[in-house]
Amino acid sequence: DAGITQSPRHKVTETGTPVTLRCHQTENHRYMYWYRQDPGHGLRLIHYSYGVKDTDKGEVSDGYSVSRSKTEDFLLTLESATSSQTSVYFCAINPTGGRENNEQFFGPGTRLTVL
Amino acid sequence: GIQVEQSPPDLILQEGANSTLRCNFSDSVNNLQWFHQNPWGQLINLFYIPSGTKQNGRLSATTVATERYSLLYISSSQTTDSGVYFCAGIPYSSASKIIFGSGTRLSIRP
Repeated sequence: DAGITQSPRHKVTETGTPVTLRCHQTENHRYMYWYRQDPGHGLRLIHYSYGVKDTDKGEVSDGYSVSRSKTEDFLLTLESATSSQTSVYFCAINPTGGRENNEQFFGPGTRLTVL
Repeated sequence: GIQVEQSPPDLILQEGANSTLRCNFSDSVNNLQWFHQNPWGQLINLFYIPSGTKQNGRLSATTVATERYSLLYISSSQTTDSGVYFCAGIPYSSASKIIFGSGTRLSIRP
């Protein structure tokens, strides 16, 4: 157990509505990540953070924004949800930090359905 | 960008059988990991193996970084081994952008 929780665990929303997913960690790890998982694509990186207020884009960042105002929380926002954003979203942390040792541990996931 | 190929995409075995799963990278990577996603969707860390060989019970993994591939061995399969196995790595050209393969779906029949 890497001490990662995600909320909500399930959400159904309508196209055009804003949605915020929360990732919370209890160990003050510096590095946090958001992924989405779709059939046939494995997991793909959306955004990541290397500290409070320090974030960067992943390979599928369009339509998503993130914020990290506290070490323990990393928020993923869909400003105006679309059906193509229906997916399972995973948060991850890297306890050791840095480029040379980047073993990641995952939260339980959030299943988001956009109707 | 870097490509990660996993093979086979699907594998069905009887309980007790052995299996080898392969992960090929199109370019050099570091921080290679293997994960198991169980039928409930949980992602479980199996190995962090940038190079060399590691063993954990019935599972072992070998990464040959110079040839850009990694292997996951499962011996004496049990039904609880069912699920999807992913490998993932970070290209040397990238700071943190981990790339996942599409996975191998393993089904173990009792």
